[in-house]
Amino acid sequence: GAVVSQHPSRVICKSGTSVKIECRSLDFQATTMFWYRQFPKQSLMLMATSNEGSKATYEQGVEKDKFLINHASLTLSTLTVTSAHPEDSSFYICSASPSGGPGEQFFGPGTRLTVL
Amino acid sequence: DQQVKQNSPSLSVQEGRISILNCDYTNSMFDYFLWYKKYPAEGPTFLISISSIKDKNEDGRFTVFLNKSAKHLSLHIVPSQPGDSAVYFCAATFWGGNEKLTFGTGTRLTIIP
Repeated sequence: GAVVSQHPSRVICKSGTSVKIECRSLDFQATTMFWYRQFPKQSLMLMATSNEGSKATYEQGVEKDKFLINHASLTLSTLTVTSAHPEDSSFYICSASPSGGPGEQFFGPGTRLTVL
Repeated sequence: DQQVKQNSPSLSVQEGRISILNCDYTNSMFDYFLWYKKYPAEGPTFLISISSIKDKNEDGRFTVFLNKSAKHLSLHIVPSQPGDSAVYFCAATFWGGNEKLTFGTGTRLTIIP
């Protein structure tokens, strides 16, 4: 089956620093990748849709200047949390679609971000 | 505005019995529904899906039922096994919606041996 990896799996950083999270599709090309955020005991909230070679589409309420998304190739998308603050602490999950239907989304294992 | 709702945050079921997880949605544009299983600190894994042109889809121990008029879907797991203990999310989307998924709040299923 299709595999999506994320790196790092866990990161702890100081307030004010920037953190980059990578999402890779290992055995397929992903024209579209999605970034989600999950708070404890809550649902996965879509943050943005990342399209290879074009700008990401952000959901309402998500600051695009704070959460920078780059989809430079068909197998890699990165999410950079700029000037992180404690309220940005969360579980970030990416998913990738090999341009199939909605059931074709494959999720990464997630990244736990803790901002001190 | 929670467009996809799972009103039971948790459910406990005896091993071997049927587990029934429910999901309601409000957006009538949704025409494709999915169930995902998630373990702590891991990404969701796809279980089963159903298109709005059907009212039932079965895959092994998992069956999803869709009632469009009630805007309700359910996931049946039978027989339930200890390995089924996880958080289950339903998700909805619509064709032409750029594959965006709207997730429910999840139900934590615990299978009691």
